[in-house]
Amino acid sequence: EAGVVQSPRYKIIEKKQPVAFWCNPISGHNTLYWYLQNLGQGPELLIRYENEEAVDDSQLPKDRFSAERLKGVDSTLKIQPAELGDSAVYLCASSLDGGAADTQYFGPGTRLTVL
Amino acid sequence: GNSVTQMEGPVTLSEEAFLTINCTYTATGYPSLFWYVQYPGEGLQLLLKATKADDKGSNKGFEATYRKETTSFHLEKGSVQVSDSAVYFCALDYGGATNKLIFGTGTLLAVQP
Repeated sequence: EAGVVQSPRYKIIEKKQPVAFWCNPISGHNTLYWYLQNLGQGPELLIRYENEEAVDDSQLPKDRFSAERLKGVDSTLKIQPAELGDSAVYLCASSLDGGAADTQYFGPGTRLTVL
Repeated sequence: GNSVTQMEGPVTLSEEAFLTINCTYTATGYPSLFWYVQYPGEGLQLLLKATKADDKGSNKGFEATYRKETTSFHLEKGSVQVSDSAVYFCALDYGGATNKLIFGTGTLLAVQP
């Protein structure tokens, strides 16, 4: 069974440029998560989807970050414009139904470097 | 608020040594507790979990027991291998009806042959 797929794996951009990350969750998983992982830190939740609905986006900086999951399957996270402090690894995860203690499966992440 | 505190790394051990990575938590309610592992260049993988007090999670020779009285979930392995070298994250799901993980900062384990 294929795991969570993310692309690209690495991205280098100039500050003020836009950037987008793509995630395809495990087939049949209704819940999708985007996390931010700074160097030397644990992941922090940015947004969580139940199917196509964003049910928790309280940690998403909405002035520059946006996300969508239009058909309830794959998802895109966008930053516009990027800032130097956005350099980090962006992780996507999925789980079956998002219930308590449901196992989250993580993709390999996209490492963003903003110059 | 809800939080997880892990021992700082790196932890450097020789092969076949005993491993303990400490994890304590602060939470309201009754969280589930997890250990995730991140091998170099890979995504996080669930290593083990425990959903209630006194539960023991185990996998691949690793164990952790959910201790409510000490709010701890320490990771242990009796004999580490070079292939166990990775970053280990303790996490909690602070309960309720939803699955929202809060992670510790991670502990780098380096096992030398």
